[in-house]
Amino acid sequence: NAGVMQNPRHLVRRRGQEARLRCSPMKGHSHVYWYRQLPEEGLKFMVYLQKENIIDESGMPKERFSAEFPKEGPSILRIQQVVRGDSAAYFCASSPGGSQGANVLTFGAGSRLTVL
Amino acid sequence: GDSVTQMEGPVTLSEEAFLTINCTYTATGYPSLFWYVQYPGEGLQLLLKATKADDKGSNKGFEATYRKETTSFHLEKGSVQVSDSAVYFCALSDNTDKLIFGTGTRLQVFP
Repeated sequence: NAGVMQNPRHLVRRRGQEARLRCSPMKGHSHVYWYRQLPEEGLKFMVYLQKENIIDESGMPKERFSAEFPKEGPSILRIQQVVRGDSAAYFCASSPGGSQGANVLTFGAGSRLTVL
Repeated sequence: GDSVTQMEGPVTLSEEAFLTINCTYTATGYPSLFWYVQYPGEGLQLLLKATKADDKGSNKGFEATYRKETTSFHLEKGSVQVSDSAVYFCALSDNTDKLIFGTGTRLQVFP
């Protein structure tokens, strides 16, 4: 039973380009969360999605960032027109949902974005 | 809003020393509390958790007790190993799926 799979593990972009980060949740998990870890900081919640629905995007920057979790395929975090301040590790987590909440979150290994 | 504060690192110890990493929290309700560990180049792994006051979470020789009266969840280990070198994150959940993390504490253990 594979865990949460994220790709790419490392991504380098120049300022102004687009970054797409993918996350495949654990088998049987229908809830996906994205967190961002800036250098020397803890993880900050960005967005929570279920299939075809954004449940909570309170941590998403208002511009340039978007996320989706389509009916088929992985969840995608998209950053348009990247800037140096977007350089960070982006972690995806999944859960089966239900009453257990964060008790059953499983994290992926992260995608490290570097903006030149 | 809810928040987590943990001691700044790095914490530098010799092998077999006693470890304490302090964590305190602020929450309006009755959160669940967690310690996650991040080894170099890897993602976060759940180390231990406690879901109610006075619960003790334990795993791999690490322990933490949920203290409601002091709003704390300090991480302890009696004898650290070099392989314990990592970054440790304290976190809370208000029983939704959202986690609130502390800033992390880097532990370095030398032989």
